[in-house]
Amino acid sequence: GQNIDQPTEMTATEGAIVQINCTYQTSGFNGLFWYQQHAGEAPTFLSYNVLDGLEEKGRFSSFLSRSKGYSYLLLKELQMKDSASYLCAVREGTGGFKTIFGAGTRLFVKA
Amino acid sequence: EAQVTQNPRYLITVTGKKLTVTCSQNMNHEYMSWYRQDPGLGLRQIYYSMNVEVTDKGDVPEGYKVSRKEKRNFPLILESPSPNQTSLYFCASSKTGRSSYNSPLHFGNGTRLTVT
Repeated sequence: GQNIDQPTEMTATEGAIVQINCTYQTSGFNGLFWYQQHAGEAPTFLSYNVLDGLEEKGRFSSFLSRSKGYSYLLLKELQMKDSASYLCAVREGTGGFKTIFGAGTRLFVKA
Repeated sequence: EAQVTQNPRYLITVTGKKLTVTCSQNMNHEYMSWYRQDPGLGLRQIYYSMNVEVTDKGDVPEGYKVSRKEKRNFPLILESPSPNQTSLYFCASSKTGRSSYNSPLHFGNGTRLTVT
């Protein structure tokens, strides 16, 4: 079956580092995306991983292990504006180009 | 500016009254999709389209229709809305093809629908 799991909520302190985990079981695999979604707004693209390893992009990094069906998003030097939901999504390997989303992790950054 | 435009942003309607939510993109994307987002359930795909005149069901298609007569437009139609279709709806588009698996989805700003 298809399943993407991530924690429902996390809280972290401004300036700290937080890691948001995601595990997945999907029909085929053509890459894993992370999106950020502020309350009431559209999701926006953060990162894409298709090969094992770490991709770094400024304060945000994303890691993938295909053999474990596991990814994480690492946010460094947290800012208040990072308070948002973070969505893990997998692009399946079927011809339909389908993207499956996890339920999202709500991150609260406190002062 | 590259964008996906959805209308309306907010809609309150009554059970059984047909409605259409429009979606248009100006990026010449082949792939378009509709999602609904409900608390605790995340984004669930309703319908998608790989290109003009090519549409297919997603995970939760019941009660919805779509059409893709032009590349830029992908309207979502609720023939007879019911209260369980109260949700936040997003239209999204992306490039498609084997060389475009890394192409992210571009989302519209969402339509908050309430059916009473």
